[in-house]
Amino acid sequence: EVQLVESGGGLVQPGGSLRLSCAASGFTVSSNYMSWVRQAPGKGLEWVLVLYSGGTTYDADSVKGRFTISRDNSKNTLYLQMNSLRPEDTAVYYCARDRSHSSGYYHDDWGQGTLVTVSS
Amino acid sequence: DIQMTQSPSSLSASVGDRVTITCRASQSISSYLNWYQQKPGKAPKLLIYAASSLQSGVPPRFSGSGSGTDFTLTISSLQPEDFATYYCQESYSTPFTFGPGTKVDIK
Repeated sequence: EVQLVESGGGLVQPGGSLRLSCAASGFTVSSNYMSWVRQAPGKGLEWVLVLYSGGTTYDADSVKGRFTISRDNSKNTLYLQMNSLRPEDTAVYYCARDRSHSSGYYHDDWGQGTLVTVSS
Repeated sequence: DIQMTQSPSSLSASVGDRVTITCRASQSISSYLNWYQQKPGKAPKLLIYAASSLQSGVPPRFSGSGSGTDFTLTISSLQPEDFATYYCQESYSTPFTFGPGTKVDIK
């Protein structure tokens, strides 16, 4: 059974840093595309970053230069390093396993999410 | 970046109703379109990928159609467990934008 468990969320001051983890089971992170998607309180979904199996990453303009996605193959874990945090980064952060298809790409399995609050 | 819009933003319906939600892309995205369902406090759930492919385990009352810029999610007979928010998402190019969502609640 595929399972994704996020951790590392919490309260951080503006300008601070936080690292989120997403521990995977039931599949191999390094063989899959993996994404982070966030949702601000009461708002819609926002795609944030993707890490392809080959190592290529893409990120949204809203986090460019501040957030980094990575993985530890030995721990089968995905990470999101968040620096220079802003109040508008406050959100529930979800990790997702992605699948590719001849007509696109989709988020197949999701974690339960972890809340990041950026406030002084 | 590709912009995604959805209509309506919310709707009220009764159990058994046929419900249609529309998603529009700011440029052609071929069939690179996904639909997700989200219930309060829960992670999103994939319903439809590639515009019309039903995800495994999703009831066949859900269907998707469209290509290019205009897409539709249809629920043929609304069930109590279908009251939720529905999001479309383009997967044509990063940043894989989501639509703003359509909330379906009980009439």
